[in-house]
Amino acid sequence: DTEVTQTPKHLVMGMTNKKSLKCEQHMGHRAMYWYKQKAKKPPELMFVYSYEKLSINESVPSRFSPECPNSSLLNLHLHALQPEDSALYLCASSQESGANTGELFFGEGSRLTVL
Amino acid sequence: AQSVTQPDIHITVSEGASLELRCNYSYGATPYLFWYVQSPGQGLQLLLKYFSGDTLVQGIKGFEAEFKRSQSSFNLRKPSVHWSDAAEYFCAGPKGNDMRFGAGTRLTVKP
Repeated sequence: DTEVTQTPKHLVMGMTNKKSLKCEQHMGHRAMYWYKQKAKKPPELMFVYSYEKLSINESVPSRFSPECPNSSLLNLHLHALQPEDSALYLCASSQESGANTGELFFGEGSRLTVL
Repeated sequence: AQSVTQPDIHITVSEGASLELRCNYSYGATPYLFWYVQSPGQGLQLLLKYFSGDTLVQGIKGFEAEFKRSQSSFNLRKPSVHWSDAAEYFCAGPKGNDMRFGAGTRLTVKP
């Protein structure tokens, strides 16, 4: 199994809603990532979890709250988002992070629209 | 600074023509380098990767890339482009303890 599965594929939410994006991998990878991608731009790193601990937070606003319940699951909790947060949110995993980061395996992404 | 740059934002080639997408890197030591492809509305798929050793790397879908230390480049090539190759292509490399992406090159394929 070389898949990273993201749900939901599409999400529309109001600025006062609370929602979550989910990501799952069963490749035994120890590092998991959230990236944000705006149209016609490269993915921008948001968070990295390594061995279920948050290792990188790229100064992301607190309205985005990551969670790694176990080594296979990664969530992104969303609250009080702004319309400019509308984007494609990509989850990825790799065997390791840090200096040994190898290939990243990406999910298909969750397309988020904030009204 | 550790980075990769893609100087071409958009390239158009005719179907069946050859393709070369440019990627330049800025690292002190030999970096890990990657090429990813992204079709519209999709996630990123790895085309190929370079860690060390042979500087000509073969990937999926008929792509290859050559690591050239003298030119600080890792250009992606394909001898004959198919219409299905139209997509966004990202070069990627390490930055600190993580991986970051170039700005991307959008490939359009003319019939």
